[in-house]
Amino acid sequence: QKEVEQDPGPLSVPEGAIVSLNCTYSNSAFQYFMWYRQYSRKGPELLMYTYSSGNKEDGRFTAQVDKSSKYISLFIRDSQPSDSATYLCAMNRAGKSTFGDGTTLTVKP
Amino acid sequence: EAQVTQNPRYLITVTGKKLTVTCSQNMNHEYMSWYRQDPGLGLRQIYYSMNVEVTDKGDVPEGYKVSRKEKRNFPLILESPSPNQTSLYFCASQTGGSYEQYFGPGTRLTVT
Repeated sequence: QKEVEQDPGPLSVPEGAIVSLNCTYSNSAFQYFMWYRQYSRKGPELLMYTYSSGNKEDGRFTAQVDKSSKYISLFIRDSQPSDSATYLCAMNRAGKSTFGDGTTLTVKP
Repeated sequence: EAQVTQNPRYLITVTGKKLTVTCSQNMNHEYMSWYRQDPGLGLRQIYYSMNVEVTDKGDVPEGYKVSRKEKRNFPLILESPSPNQTSLYFCASQTGGSYEQYFGPGTRLTVT
């Protein structure tokens, strides 16, 4: 069983929709919870991170962590075509990251 | 500009022909890693290095070698590539103990 499981997708939504991306994990030792965004033909880049349960907001993006359920989510409000990418959740413990498989999102104009 | 560079970006080779993919970072990061990314399998760590001359296996090290003779460089060596090593490879770097990794642009390798 994988330590990190990510909803596989792909997701296709109309512009302006609210998007929810989700991951579950099994290792309670994970300290940091991150979302990376990967555009086609590029390397992943860090989008958001959090280290505690609750919500963290950054513009149109909200990262949510529920440590009791071992569940993390990324919400994108007012989605834009430029948000079309693969989103990877990642969990970090002592400097080592474990990644989900990624969810590919397409936002249609 | 802070960055991680990889070369080559694309490589087609034949089974058994040794190859090296270079990785360099200009951020003075201690940690460097190599990952491969495959459909349905996500990003899997091949090897990582915590500092010069300190390397360790990741989750899928078979068939790969690495070295860390300088802080900025972390080459990935495939001494006898096989078709199952066809993949998209990423190098990444981070400061020691940090959560954030900086990724290179990727190297798409095809082994025929």
